[in-house]
Amino acid sequence: GESVGLHLPTLSVQEGDNSIINCAYSNSASDYFIWYKQESGKGPQFIIDIRSNMDKRQGQRVTVLLNKTVKHLSLQIAATQPGDSAVYFCAEGGGADGLTFGKGTHLIIQP
Amino acid sequence: SAVISQKPSRDICQRGTSLTIQCQVDSQVTMMFWYRQQPGQSLTLIATANQGSEATYESGFVIDKFPISRPNLTFSTLTVSNMSPEDSSIYLCSAGQPATEAFFGQGTRLTVV
Repeated sequence: GESVGLHLPTLSVQEGDNSIINCAYSNSASDYFIWYKQESGKGPQFIIDIRSNMDKRQGQRVTVLLNKTVKHLSLQIAATQPGDSAVYFCAEGGGADGLTFGKGTHLIIQP
Repeated sequence: SAVISQKPSRDICQRGTSLTIQCQVDSQVTMMFWYRQQPGQSLTLIATANQGSEATYESGFVIDKFPISRPNLTFSTLTVSNMSPEDSSIYLCSAGQPATEAFFGQGTRLTVV
């Protein structure tokens, strides 16, 4: 993991709007990427994953985009709901060496 | 998916003492890992718990401080030894199969006073 400051970046969106959370990863050799959601007092919860041979993958209300050229990953959440409020982490790796987590983004849904 | 249970969920410990955290998975898994998450920060990998052999530690983490056991494919422990206030953190167990999503326990919130 990376060394980060005490305060996570915050993204505030209106309920019902779409949100986009971005992540830059460091290892160009990584071939597996995951987005996790972490609510207060809980462990990270798997949202969606993508392998390096893809550039887009869709789930229920979520889409992950992978740009290997610039080592960038994004998570799009459609029609955000209050229950989407949480901290979102991207992670790379997933093999025998464990996961390297990004800094995290705190998503706040405004009513 | 795998369900991961950690015990204790939280504890307050005196400096200089040790705490052992248990992680139980409801199915056999190849990979088990331990992470630390300091308040307001991201997760940092401590070590890979290897079944039947010594754990593999990341840079900055050593076996004397964080001894790990993994006696079988469903269970692991992490001990935080000779604790100081700087060890106050959330400790998370993770498990899964290679190159697939890793599942997490709910974490152990440790406060050292």
